[in-house]
Amino acid sequence: GNSVTQMEGPVTLSEEAFLTINCTYTATGYPSLFWYVQYPGEGLQLLLKATKADDKGSNKGFEATYRKETTSFHLEKGSVQVSDSAVYFCALRETGNQFYFGTGTSLTVIP
Amino acid sequence: DAGVTQSPTHLIKTRGQHVTLRCSPISGHKSVSWYQQVLGQGPQFIFQYYEKEERGRGNFPDRFSARQFPNYSSELNVNALLLGDSALYLCASSFLAGEETQYFGPGTRLLVL
Repeated sequence: GNSVTQMEGPVTLSEEAFLTINCTYTATGYPSLFWYVQYPGEGLQLLLKATKADDKGSNKGFEATYRKETTSFHLEKGSVQVSDSAVYFCALRETGNQFYFGTGTSLTVIP
Repeated sequence: DAGVTQSPTHLIKTRGQHVTLRCSPISGHKSVSWYQQVLGQGPQFIFQYYEKEERGRGNFPDRFSARQFPNYSSELNVNALLLGDSALYLCASSFLAGEETQYFGPGTRLLVL
């Protein structure tokens, strides 16, 4: 079946630190992969996506590369800001309409 | 343009009761999906509707049902509420059923006592 595993949090970083949030997936076919972000009190927002192997999604300084050989889609940012504090969800979508989400990783960035 | 809207924002019910949650998609979007997000977990897919027809169903009991109206708004109904139904219920819309980018509403937080 399909599933997503992401690193447990919470993660606390100082401003301008490097961020990595690990995400691995299990899928029976060739899924599209996503990172969603949930700011406090708000709904989920699409951060970035990649639809095939070796694709790199990027947005707002965040990047993730679709690695089929390691079934991974790790989220990275070179220099985090206080405003990046949120919960980050890795997700996959295979053929059909269902998304599978990871459990989320809470990030707190301190000044 | 308004985003996805959901009502109510918060709700408290007791075990055994019934609840109806409502969702209005972004204008022009024809597909609505429902998710349950238990505290500390990721969203779990419940249903997808497109053009008033059910297009997908997750692993939820028959106590959960939904429908979509001609204006593409949607209702999620849960009967015989259990304590474990306490969660944030999210609605997401997209223009087409198979579209990959979904836009999420802020959710309805349901507490079952």
